[in-house]
Amino acid sequence: GAGVSQTPSNKVTEKGKYVELRCDPISGHTALYWYRQSLGQGPEFLIYFQGTGAADDSGLPNDRFFAVRPEGSVSTLKIQRTERGDSAVYLCASSSGLGNIQYFGAGTRLSVL
Amino acid sequence: GQQLNQSPQSMFIQEGEDVSMNCTSSSIFNTWLWYKQDPGEGPVLLIALYKAGELTSNGRLTAQFGITRKDSFLNISASIPSDVGIYFCAAWTYAGNNRKLIWGLGTSLGVNP
Repeated sequence: GAGVSQTPSNKVTEKGKYVELRCDPISGHTALYWYRQSLGQGPEFLIYFQGTGAADDSGLPNDRFFAVRPEGSVSTLKIQRTERGDSAVYLCASSSGLGNIQYFGAGTRLSVL
Repeated sequence: GQQLNQSPQSMFIQEGEDVSMNCTSSSIFNTWLWYKQDPGEGPVLLIALYKAGELTSNGRLTAQFGITRKDSFLNISASIPSDVGIYFCAAWTYAGNNRKLIWGLGTSLGVNP
């Protein structure tokens, strides 16, 4: 596609449920990043993929968060046993390589009730 | 940890006025980036700075990489209503072979037509 696409744009779930957030990067971009943005904050790094592998997952807050990119293109961020504190906008970005310009999707706004 | 201190937190100006915002840190960085984020969208890169002392323009925007490598500023001249949004500074940090972007808290800009 022309840009980074994230689905769904909004997700409302109940505490304790499992959610999956999807990111379609720009075609051909090998690097993919997930960020979390709370209200009034800048994006907070979660995880970075180079190809299919998670090159740096140091930003994942705990083991309820997991992300995959099985074919080196689409990525899914998975959150288990959601908590109210997980409510935020989850942004995905892709780039043609580590350190190159990151292009962001519009984000998925997650609300945990 | 490393932090970017961005100021002002918010500003409201008249159309046509110039505006300046800055980002400081106690740490040294090799790259400074300025992004703009519109409501409901992901951040979009405005200017990237790669060398201490570098002054770069992009239309009505001008940004400088501080000579100490600990700060950067962004100027917008002759503001227009579409300049409204949140402006973030960001910088690359290094941990071993990994690099990640850290972000300021943003400057919210309002423009009164």
